[in-house]
Amino acid sequence: QKEVEQDPGPLSVPEGAIVSLNCTYSNSAFQYFMWYRQYSRKGPELLMYTYSSGNKEDGRFTAQVDKSSKYISLFIRDSQPSDSATYLCAMSQDSNYQLIWGAGTKLIIKP
Amino acid sequence: GAVVSQHPSRVICKSGTSVKIECRSLDFQATTMFWYRQFPKQSLMLMATSNEGSKATYEQGVEKDKFLINHASLTLSTLTVTSAHPEDSSFYICSATRSDSDYGYTFGSGTRLTVV
Repeated sequence: QKEVEQDPGPLSVPEGAIVSLNCTYSNSAFQYFMWYRQYSRKGPELLMYTYSSGNKEDGRFTAQVDKSSKYISLFIRDSQPSDSATYLCAMSQDSNYQLIWGAGTKLIIKP
Repeated sequence: GAVVSQHPSRVICKSGTSVKIECRSLDFQATTMFWYRQFPKQSLMLMATSNEGSKATYEQGVEKDKFLINHASLTLSTLTVTSAHPEDSSFYICSATRSDSDYGYTFGSGTRLTVV
């Protein structure tokens, strides 16, 4: 079993829909949780960075961490075709950035 | 399935020496491997893309002679940091993908390089 599980998709939704992306993990020591967005042939870019449990909102993006369930989510409101990309979750036990990565979910927003 | 093993996880080396980082796909054939560098609290920066049996494609600003990439087989790619300097200290991570692109990327766990 992988430490971090993420459905690779692809996930296809119509423009304007609310998108929910998720990862589950098995290591209860993880405290830092990140979501990255990666466009084709580009390096992943950091979208959201969360420490411990709770919610964090940034524009159309909301990150949720539920440590009791070992489950993290990224919500995208009012999705746009430009949101089409691969979304990767990553997490670590400390701030030393030894990250454990999900496989990435390919998201397709249809106009 | 789809495991990428990256070694070493941490390495400390002296200035002027070379360090080799290995990236292996354990249960699939990786047609393409990517090498990234990450600075704290920043996105991964793509350094190069390597395809098995051919020369790596380096991103602009990445020194080919300093960061040697070899993708000799469908399951192994190596990154060698030559004549390392303290400014090369960083977190390096590889990822691999199969030819069926819908699968996505599998990332290694990364290598923390410290040059002293």
